[in-house]
Amino acid sequence: KQEVTQIPAALSVPEGENLVLNCSFTDSAIYNLQWFRQDPGKGLTSLLLIQSSQREQTSGRLNASLDKSSGRSTLYIAASQPGDSATYLCACSGSARQLTFGSGTQLTVLP
Amino acid sequence: EAGVAQSPRYKIIEKRQSVAFWCNPISGHATLYWYQQILGQGPKLLIQFQNNGVVDDSQLPKDRFSAERLKGVDSTLKIQPAKLEDSAVYLCASSFLGGGSDNEQFFGPGTRLTVL
Repeated sequence: KQEVTQIPAALSVPEGENLVLNCSFTDSAIYNLQWFRQDPGKGLTSLLLIQSSQREQTSGRLNASLDKSSGRSTLYIAASQPGDSATYLCACSGSARQLTFGSGTQLTVLP
Repeated sequence: EAGVAQSPRYKIIEKRQSVAFWCNPISGHATLYWYQQILGQGPKLLIQFQNNGVVDDSQLPKDRFSAERLKGVDSTLKIQPAKLEDSAVYLCASSFLGGGSDNEQFFGPGTRLTVL
C-alpha cells in the first residue's frame, strides 16, 4: 500500500525567500506524481504533473523534481510571495491511476 | 473550458440524517473520482468510476455510503445515515482517461459537510 509523507507540516518564510517542500513515497512503482495547491475552503488546483519517465517539470517560479529510486519529490518555489501562502499537497498515481495524497505542507509567506 | 462542478458547497445535518452530493465532471472526461478530505489530512479516495462502471470502491464504507454515475456523466454520492465522523470536505475530480501515465486529475471546489 502506497504511503505518502510530506515534511514539514507547516512552514513560515519571509517574502522573497526560495524554499523547498519535500514529499516521500514508499512504493516506487508510480505512474506519475502531482503537486497541488489548496487555498482555505477551496478545492485543489493542479500545479505540476511529473510523469514516471521524467525527472522534473517547471512552471513559472515552480520546479518539481522526481527521484523514483529514492521515493522522493521536491517542489521548489523561487522568490516566494504572500500570494503563495496555501497548503501544498503531493499525490502519487498508482496502477489504477488513483491518487494517494500526503497530508500537505501549510506554507505562510510573510510580507 | 468549464471545470468540475459540485453542489451544494456547504451542508449541515444532524447525525443519522441522509445527505446527497452532486458532481458534474469536465465534458469528455471518462473517469470520475470522489475523495473525502478530513480537516488536516490529504484527500482519501472513496470511489472511482470509468464511464458508468465502478473501477474501485474498496475504501467506500458501503454500509452507509453509496455512489452512482448512471449515464456516465454526472454522479451523486449519498450518505445514509450520517455519523459525526463523516464531517469532511467531499471532493469530486475527473480525468480524461483512466489509462496512460498522463492522467491529470482536475478537482471541483468540494462540498463541506458538517454533521452535528
